[in-house]
Amino acid sequence: NAGVTQTPKFRILKIGQSMTLQCTQDMNHNYMYWYRQDPGMGLKLIYYSVGAGITDKGEVPNGYNVSRSTTEDFPLRLELAAPSQTSVYFCASSLPGGTQYFGPGTRLLVL
Amino acid sequence: KNQVEQSPQSLIILEGKNCTLQCNYTVSPFSNLRWYKQDTGRGPVSLTIMTFSENTKSNGRYTATLDADTKQSSLHITASQLSDSASYICVVVPIQGAQKLVFGQGTRLTINP
Repeated sequence: NAGVTQTPKFRILKIGQSMTLQCTQDMNHNYMYWYRQDPGMGLKLIYYSVGAGITDKGEVPNGYNVSRSTTEDFPLRLELAAPSQTSVYFCASSLPGGTQYFGPGTRLLVL
Repeated sequence: KNQVEQSPQSLIILEGKNCTLQCNYTVSPFSNLRWYKQDTGRGPVSLTIMTFSENTKSNGRYTATLDADTKQSSLHITASQLSDSASYICVVVPIQGAQKLVFGQGTRLTINP
């Protein structure tokens, strides 16, 4: 099993550009999450989903959008990139109440 | 506001020595407390999960303790190895909004030979 996979591993964006961070899990988990991790800070929840077609905002949703059309995929969309979105983004999945399994992360630099 | 504070921020010890990392939290009520290990450039990996009624949980050389009265947890690492060099993150899961886990900022542990 691959677990949670994320693409790309690293990306440089110019201010105002858009991109989609991809996340796929093969564990048939209902719950999926997007976090950002800034240096010296705890992970912050951006969005989460408890099943296909259901998404909800986390602590820092501004500037991001998500969709969940299948159980496996949970893409994160940045519409107008800003320098404040420079961060490492982690996708995770879990069963309800269970351990979260994290992907390897996407490092994003906005210049 | 729900918070999780970890100490120390960073720690350097010699290989073979023991160490203890601390976690204080204000999240209440909570369903469980978790410790994760995060290697540089990787995603966090779960080490232990303790429910609010558990006092201790072990995973090999890692032992986590929980005191729900004082809202403190610790992670003890025995006979450290070079591969233990990583960040260790304390996470508290609230009962209300269980999807919105509260993460500490982590303790950066370096094991020197």
